[in-house]
Amino acid sequence: DIQMTQSPSSLSPSVGARVTITCRTSQNISRYLNWYQQKPGKAPKVLIYAAFSLQSGVPSRFSGSGSGTDFTLTISSLQPEDMATYYCQQTYSDPWTFGQGTKVGIK
Amino acid sequence: EVQLVESGGDLVQPGGSLRLSCAASGFTFGSYWMTWVRQAPGKGLEWVANIKKDGSEKYYVDSVKGRFTISRDNAKNSLYLQMNSLRVEDTAVYYCARDRFVMVQGTTKGGWYFDLWGRGTLVTVSS
Repeated sequence: DIQMTQSPSSLSPSVGARVTITCRTSQNISRYLNWYQQKPGKAPKVLIYAAFSLQSGVPSRFSGSGSGTDFTLTISSLQPEDMATYYCQQTYSDPWTFGQGTKVGIK
Repeated sequence: EVQLVESGGDLVQPGGSLRLSCAASGFTFGSYWMTWVRQAPGKGLEWVANIKKDGSEKYYVDSVKGRFTISRDNAKNSLYLQMNSLRVEDTAVYYCARDRFVMVQGTTKGGWYFDLWGRGTLVTVSS
């Protein structure tokens, strides 16, 4: 199975800060990498698919980059409503696996 | 409204069985692969199983193979997960999700992501 490692596990920047979350995979997955946001008590919601494609309706402050084994989710200017846990997911090979999550709080 | 609504979660003893349902509305259910994802309390997400549009192909994570069965009824716009021989470690919120296929830039094959999720249903396995 492909292992997914996210960093950091948690962070609490100030409103307006630039936030970067990284996801490293145990093998080359090309660009088959998605990012999800999950708010407390809610279902996950896709933000970015295929490494850098922004899902319809998602604010443009979210962006994704990377390929191969190293990927990044960036929030250009953190907003209060962005407080959530973020997960990366690979769909390169079965079983599809998720990272352990990065919890983003607000300072 | 485009939505997925899960039901069937309950408290069950180890070794017991449970059947989860997911009702789809607002889209052509039979045109999509569908998936079950679970999340243990306070933990991350785990893909459990998925099923092809016509039900002819099914895939499972190793930990549920032989115990869980995914199925669908396109006439009823419904997805199911039959769970047998339940274990304490199966305790989780179970979400159904719609699989979306896209071509991935710079590659020769498409990729998948989950573009629609239900709110989930809680399964608790405990004596």
